[in-house]
Amino acid sequence: AQTVTQSQPEMSVQEAETVTLSCTYDTSESNYYLFWYKQPPSRQMILVIRQEAYKQQNATENRFSVNFQKAAKSFSLKISDSQLGDTAMYFCAFMNFGNEKLTFGTGTRLTIIP
Amino acid sequence: EAGVAQSPRYKIIEKRQSVAFWCNPISGHATLYWYQQILGQGPKLLIQFQNNGVVDDSQLPKDRFSAERLKGVDSTLKIQPAKLEDSAVYLCASSNPPGLVDYNEQFFGPGTRLTVL
Repeated sequence: AQTVTQSQPEMSVQEAETVTLSCTYDTSESNYYLFWYKQPPSRQMILVIRQEAYKQQNATENRFSVNFQKAAKSFSLKISDSQLGDTAMYFCAFMNFGNEKLTFGTGTRLTIIP
Repeated sequence: EAGVAQSPRYKIIEKRQSVAFWCNPISGHATLYWYQQILGQGPKLLIQFQNNGVVDDSQLPKDRFSAERLKGVDSTLKIQPAKLEDSAVYLCASSNPPGLVDYNEQFFGPGTRLTVL
C-alpha cells in the first residue's frame, strides 16, 4: 500500500516570501501521479499542481512549483511571492497510474503573515 | 460550471442514530468518490463509483456505512448506527472517467461536518 508523509504540521511565513512544503511517499510502482491540494478555511479543496512520475521536468503553475525527486520519493511544493490567500491546509496526494484512488498525507497548515 | 454540491453542511446527532448525506457531482462526471476526513488527518477514500457501479469500497465499514448512486448521478452516503468515532467531515468528489482529459483531477464539494454526541 502507498503511504504519503508530510512532516511539517504547521508553517508560517511573511507575505511575499517563499516557502517550501515537504512531502515524501512510499510506493513500489513506477508510473503514478502526485498532487498538491489546497483546502482554505471553510472552503472547498482545490487542486494546486500535479506531476506525472514519468515526466522528468518539474511542474509549474504560476507562483507554484514542485521539486520532484523520483529516486528519493520526494515531492515538495514551493510557493513564491506568497499571498494572504495562500493561507490554507495543503495536502500532498498520490495516485497510481490507471487507478483513480487518491492517498493523502496528513497535511501542512500554512499561514501567511501580513 | 456548477461545482460539486453537498448537503447538509452540518449535522449533529447522538450515537446510535442514523444519518444520510447527499452529493450532486459536476455534470458529466462519471466517477464519484466519498471521503472521510477526521480532524487532523487527510481525507480517506470510503467508496468510489463509476456511473452507478462500485469500483472500490474496500475501506467502507460495511456493517454501518452504505452508499448508493442509483441513476449514475446523485449519491447518498448513510451511516446507521453512528458511533462517536464517525465524527468527521464527509467529502464528495467527482471526476471525468478514465480516458478523458484531466481524468485524474478530482473536484471536491464543501463537505458535511458530522458531530456524533
